[in-house]
Amino acid sequence: DAGVIQSPRHEVTEMGQEVTLRCKPISGHDYLFWYRQTMMRGLELLIYFNNNVPIDDSGMPEDRFSAKMPNASFSTLKIQPSEPRDSAVYFCASTLGTEILGANEQFFGPGTRLTVL
Amino acid sequence: SQQGEEDPQALSIQEGENATMNCSYKTSINNLQWYRQNSGRGLVHLILIRSNEREKHSGRLRVTLDTSKKSSSLLITASRAADTASYFCATDTGFQKLVFGTGTRLLVSP
Repeated sequence: DAGVIQSPRHEVTEMGQEVTLRCKPISGHDYLFWYRQTMMRGLELLIYFNNNVPIDDSGMPEDRFSAKMPNASFSTLKIQPSEPRDSAVYFCASTLGTEILGANEQFFGPGTRLTVL
Repeated sequence: SQQGEEDPQALSIQEGENATMNCSYKTSINNLQWYRQNSGRGLVHLILIRSNEREKHSGRLRVTLDTSKKSSSLLITASRAADTASYFCATDTGFQKLVFGTGTRLLVSP
């Protein structure tokens, strides 16, 4: 298996532009997570899906952020309009939720490094 | 918000020495996991310890969990330069959701 795939790996954009980050989870996994990592705030959970349905989006910073999962093999995280403070590394992770007694290990993608000028 | 606070924030040791990292958390958990992150890469799962376990081993890794103190430790024995990375604890708060700690940056010098 190729693991979790994210694209693009690097994105540089100007303030006000729309940014779309993409993720392909590991085949067969039923949970997908979007995280943001910065030096100041560490690794934050933005939103996660189970069977393509958003379960918890309480970490989404504001209305400029939106995420979709149209099918089991694809998810997007969109920022519109982007701002310099959105600069961060965005990770996608997936897992198979079989564990009854607690969360399973998550498999992370390589991340997308976003720079908003 | 972050559940786990890790200590120390940074650790510098020589190859062959042991490295110990600590994690404290705030609420009750189902399990606690440790992850490693190499520079510029995604996180990689190392080990999972359940709330009813006190100690677990995997190769050169030893993890302990004290639920009464809401703390865990990760011990890496006989460290190698390749162990240089950031290490994060993650607490399972339910429904497959993990909350990650602040991380410990480990530098192992040859």
